[in-house]
Amino acid sequence: QVQLKESGPVLVQASETLSLTCTVSGFSLTNYGVIWVRQSPGKGLEWMGIIWGDGNTDYNSALKSRLSINRDTSKSQVFLKMNSLQTDDTAIYYCTRGFAYWGQGTLVTVSS
Amino acid sequence: DVVMTQTPPSLSVAIGQSVSISCKSSQSLVHSDGKTYLNWLLQNPGQSPKRLIYQVSNLGSGVPDRFSGTGSEKDFTLKISRVEAEDLGVYHCVQATHVPWTFGGGTKLELK
Repeated sequence: QVQLKESGPVLVQASETLSLTCTVSGFSLTNYGVIWVRQSPGKGLEWMGIIWGDGNTDYNSALKSRLSINRDTSKSQVFLKMNSLQTDDTAIYYCTRGFAYWGQGTLVTVSS
Repeated sequence: DVVMTQTPPSLSVAIGQSVSISCKSSQSLVHSDGKTYLNWLLQNPGQSPKRLIYQVSNLGSGVPDRFSGTGSEKDFTLKISRVEAEDLGVYHCVQATHVPWTFGGGTKLELK
């Protein structure tokens, strides 16, 4: 069955770079896009970006200058990298396939 | 960016009651392919979101038919008939027609 699982650091220092991995199973990354979504504590959902099945990417315009999404299809992994982190980047980060399948999310705290 | 305005921000309901949530977009969500990519998600407390409705009115897999979605262009509604306890949580609309994809602010459904 389709599964997604996020992994990465729980705590990151301000000004550093966040690196998260979404490991998927049950489908091929060349056939489906994977989306990153985040949710700040007590707030709504924010679309961060997508890597499409063909490898192209689209990003949230507010994050575009700091964000990159890549993948390794042989390992069924999608990678999120975001630099120049600030405390308001503290959030639960989710990866999802088409909003139909979601990872459990990973809480990242940015410490000043 | 497309702005998604979701109302009301919160709803207090009794079990068995029917409710509606509105989502209005700042521009038409009809894609150049003719489809309208408007989704409804439910996030139960402490859980990852779950997709209820896709493309305005299509029920997601395993979603009870107490949920229904209607609308077109810029005006969309989610209706829940006969609310059950498992329906409590935060409802989100999200458009996937225009990049960047954008979420509404959420509607919190609580027990009266």
